[in-house]
Parts: sequence; structure tokens; C-alpha cells
Amino acid sequence: QQQVKQSPQSLIVQKGGISIINCAYENTAFDYFPWYQQFPGKGPALLIAIRPDVSEKKEGRFTISFNKSAKQFSLHIMDSQPGDSATYFCAARKRDERSGAGSYQLTFGKGTKLSVIP
Amino acid sequence: KAGVTQTPRYLIKTRGQQVTLSCSPISGHRSVSWYQQTPGQGLQFLFEYFSETQRNKGNFPGRFSGRQFSNSRSEMNVSTLELGDSALYLCASSLGLQGSEQYFGPGTRLTVT
Repeated sequence: QQQVKQSPQSLIVQKGGISIINCAYENTAFDYFPWYQQFPGKGPALLIAIRPDVSEKKEGRFTISFNKSAKQFSLHIMDSQPGDSATYFCAARKRDERSGAGSYQLTFGKGTKLSVIP
Repeated sequence: KAGVTQTPRYLIKTRGQQVTLSCSPISGHRSVSWYQQTPGQGLQFLFEYFSETQRNKGNFPGRFSGRQFSNSRSEMNVSTLELGDSALYLCASSLGLQGSEQYFGPGTRLTVT
């Protein structure tokens, strides 16, 4: 059962355009939603994250929009550049009740491969 | 500050063998989490160690195990390898438990033939 659904699987955007990646979740216990960027041969790197009490968070050209009622969140990359070409993963965190206090678990979407063409 | 390091970077094993992967977290980080990444399943959580104790475990068979040492370095072991274990194994470290910001290593690419 996929708890975090990410779309699209791949995305091609012209340089200067806006890249939009969407994620949806079902479990309302999720309380933290990070996005990761992964380049070939590297591990994922935290890009930006949001908590559900905020509807939008912006860091430079990257913006997360969060819709709590729809249980959806999205990543917008403004003025997309060829250097942004990478795989992007959304994730959601929830407390792991089995493991006791302070234990959480991250669930990742399956990733979106973004290609920004000149 | 040095990042998360993983050794070896590449590994080829045959079915039935066992393998041990190593992860050195960022200095001062006490939590180490392990993930399996495959094209079909994406990133799947294996387990998390904090202060030498396994705090959290994903849905993987008992062939997958790990441990953490007093210096926070961690090892992951897979016994009786299967073809389906071929994947990129990623280690991530964080100051606190998995809830806090995680920093990933470059991964170990395991190929089982």
C-alpha cells in the first residue's frame, strides 16, 4: 500500500519554465513533509520541508504548497534551470507508535525525474 | 564538516552469500537510518539506530539486520542474498531520531548475480 503518491513520474520543462510535482497522502497522522533532490550517483539531499499548519513555504526558487483538507502538497520550481535536472522525492513523516516515544518514520513517494532542457 | 560516508560504494555478490555495508555518520549525529532504493519500489525504510539501539524497523525480512557502534558508525548485513536484493542502499544520519533533518550518504550499489 503506497502511502504517499507522487506524480508525474517524469517531467520535461523548458529552461525558465515552472516545474510542478505533486504528492498526495491518506494518513492524517503525517506531520512533516520534506522534499528531497537526488542527482545521479548521489544520495538524496533535503531541499525544503513544510509542516501542515503552514499552507506555503518558499526558499529561493523552490516553493511548497500544502493543502491540508485535500491531503495534497506540491513542489514548484520557478525559473527552472538545467542544473535542476534531478530526481525529486516527496516524503511524509509520522510517529511510529510501535517504537516508542520520539520515533518517527519517513515514507517516500516514488520520485519524479525532472529534465530541464535549454 | 565531512558528510555521511558509505563503504564500499559498489559490490557484486552471488545468490546465497552475505554482505556487510558500512556507514559513518556526520560527526555528532547519533541517529543512522538505512534505506533500500530500487527503480520499482523507490526509497524504502529498513531500520533506524539511535545510541546503539534499533529504534524503528521497516517491513523487510529478518535477513536484513544492522547494528550501531558506540561511535555512531553503523553496519547493515544482508544474509542469504537474493537477486531481488540488488539495489542502492542508502544511509542517512541525523542529530536526533528520524524525525529531524536527515543527511544521506552516496549509497552502496549492491548487485546480486
